[in-house]
Amino acid sequence: AQRVTQPEKLLSVFKGAPVELKCNYSYSGSPELFWYVQYSRQRLQLLLRHISRESIKGFTADLNKGETSFHLKKPFAQEEDSAMYYCALSVGGSNYKLTFGKGTLLTVNP
Amino acid sequence: DTGVSQDPRHKITKRGQNVTFRCDPISEHNRLYWYRQTLGQGPEFLTYFQNEAQLEKSRLLSDRFSAERPKGSFSTLEIQRTEQGDSAMYLCASSLEVGGGAEQYFGPGTRLTVT
Repeated sequence: AQRVTQPEKLLSVFKGAPVELKCNYSYSGSPELFWYVQYSRQRLQLLLRHISRESIKGFTADLNKGETSFHLKKPFAQEEDSAMYYCALSVGGSNYKLTFGKGTLLTVNP
Repeated sequence: DTGVSQDPRHKITKRGQNVTFRCDPISEHNRLYWYRQTLGQGPEFLTYFQNEAQLEKSRLLSDRFSAERPKGSFSTLEIQRTEQGDSAMYLCASSLEVGGGAEQYFGPGTRLTVT
């Protein structure tokens, strides 16, 4: 069965510092990877997905199949980036259900 | 607001009671998913619908749980004989699936507390 691991429950950085949220997955096939974000008092929303190769709000994530990782990075963190971040994967087929990690709470200090 | 809506937002019930939650997806979305999230965990898949057909149920969904989407629009999730372990946030998501991993839009969730 597929699994997503986010090793850091909490991550605290200062404004302007680089940030990297780690995500590792286990699945023998070719999954699709996502990052979801939940800001305070807001609903869960998609931040980015690996197939789109976009940079959203300055965040990027590269799928490394060799290391089975999909780390989320931003070169200069902003206070408004403070949120809960979830890495998720979908194995496709016909059911695109998401398997989520436990999440990392990012705090960006002024 | 044209996003996914869920009702109620909070529910407190006593052990053994039945509860029902409602989810209204984004109009014309053909896929509807239910997830459950407990404290300190990410959301976990429960079940999903393609239009009105329930196509998969997780092993997390015991016989006490039942979900419906009678006309392919809104969905209900019922829990019978609630237990304290059912306390969680129940999330609904919808998507317009036309052949490959469409974005899932999440509702605000229903927080269930079983006392």
